Amino acid sequence: DAKTTQPNSMESNEEEPVHLPCNHSTISGTDYIHWYRQLPSQGPEYVIHGLTSNVNNRMASLAIAEDRKSSTLILHRATLRDAAVYYCILRDVRSNDYKLSFGAGTTVTVRA
Amino acid sequence: NAGVMQNPRHLVRRRGQEARLRCSPMKGHSHVYWYRQLPEEGLKFMVYLQKENIIDESGMPKERFSAEFPKEGPSILRIQQVVRGDSAAYFCASSPNVGMNTEAFFGQGTRLTVV
Repeated sequence: DAKTTQPNSMESNEEEPVHLPCNHSTISGTDYIHWYRQLPSQGPEYVIHGLTSNVNNRMASLAIAEDRKSSTLILHRATLRDAAVYYCILRDVRSNDYKLSFGAGTTVTVRA
Repeated sequence: NAGVMQNPRHLVRRRGQEARLRCSPMKGHSHVYWYRQLPEEGLKFMVYLQKENIIDESGMPKERFSAEFPKEGPSILRIQQVVRGDSAAYFCASSPNVGMNTEAFFGQGTRLTVV
């Protein structure tokens, strides 16, 4: 299985952008990049996903490198409610992969 | 449309007792997944069920753990003869189908404490 590498933690100031990197150097052509986050004492929550093109939704943007070996989740204006653990997960379309393989993720702290 | 409902939110059991964790998926969702999060560890997949069928139980411990998703009613994760090492947060997720463009919706979890 392709693996992802994320920094353990990141800090941000409120209302500033947050860029969360994810390395996936062994990604295959059929792996989708998914992001989930887990707020304190909550279950994980879907954030965004993509394959090759950059993606935007109401929560965040996903920038995918041209070689797909890395990606960056962008929170445009961090709020205190964005403090969470963010997980970058690969899912293989060939196997219709329903399992989410959560790593350690990146713990994001937002300062008021 | 209510989200994924798990109950109880907190459960305390003595060693040797049984724990039953319930999960009601979102309306219209027929796929249910259970994950476990041990203290200071990441979430690990346990089992995937569709109505009345276990599709993948590769993450379930071989003994004492079982899961079901009956035709009517919630999905149940059952842990028999609990031990301290079973103390963890158990999360249920549901989806309307499977596929790359399908997101999983998680409940708030049941925190099991074995004393």
